Amino acid sequence: GQNIDQPTEMTATEGAIVQINCTYQTSGFNGLFWYQQHAGEAPTFLSYNVLDGLEEKGRFSSFLSRSKGYSYLLLKELQMKDSASYLCAALDSNYQLIWGAGTKLIIKP
Amino acid sequence: GAVVSQHPSWVICKSGTSVKIECRSLDFQATTMFWYRQFPKQSLMLMATSNEGSKATYEQGVEKDKFLINHASLTLSTLTVTSAHPEDSSFYICSATERDYNEQFFGPGTRLTVL
Repeated sequence: GQNIDQPTEMTATEGAIVQINCTYQTSGFNGLFWYQQHAGEAPTFLSYNVLDGLEEKGRFSSFLSRSKGYSYLLLKELQMKDSASYLCAALDSNYQLIWGAGTKLIIKP
Repeated sequence: GAVVSQHPSWVICKSGTSVKIECRSLDFQATTMFWYRQFPKQSLMLMATSNEGSKATYEQGVEKDKFLINHASLTLSTLTVTSAHPEDSSFYICSATERDYNEQFFGPGTRLTVL
């Protein structure tokens, strides 16, 4: 079956760095997405990786290893507004997104 | 670019009534639109996938006669919750993709409360 695993909740301190891991098992693979979702709002796109390696975009970076079925989202210089759920989603061979349950990130002052 | 709107943002209705939610792609042509439902503290659950001009493909366990989806144009899809009941209360989110399927652009969501 298809499956996405990510931690349920993480806590980090303002100004610090946090890494949110995601492992996936899908029927075929056409890329991996990270979305940010604040409570009561729709998800917003953060990153898309289809090739191995690290993609950096400002304070956020995303890494992919296709051979390991593994990705992580790295958030630097954490701000209070980064408190949100972070959703990992893999695009399978039918171009359907398989969603993880999300990681709730709590930022403390 | 790539803006998706949803209307209404929130709706409260009585049990037994039907509710229509609109999803529009404002600045691109959406070849495929997706409808999701999200219960509190849970991840997105895909309900159905719709391509313009064809019938929607429903996920297992989603009643197609209860959740009517119409994708009549490249910029508009509608979800109608027929004979809504309190257990249908949820956050309904649509998303849309352009031709390459790679990124889904999400609407702001519609919060439905059925009394």
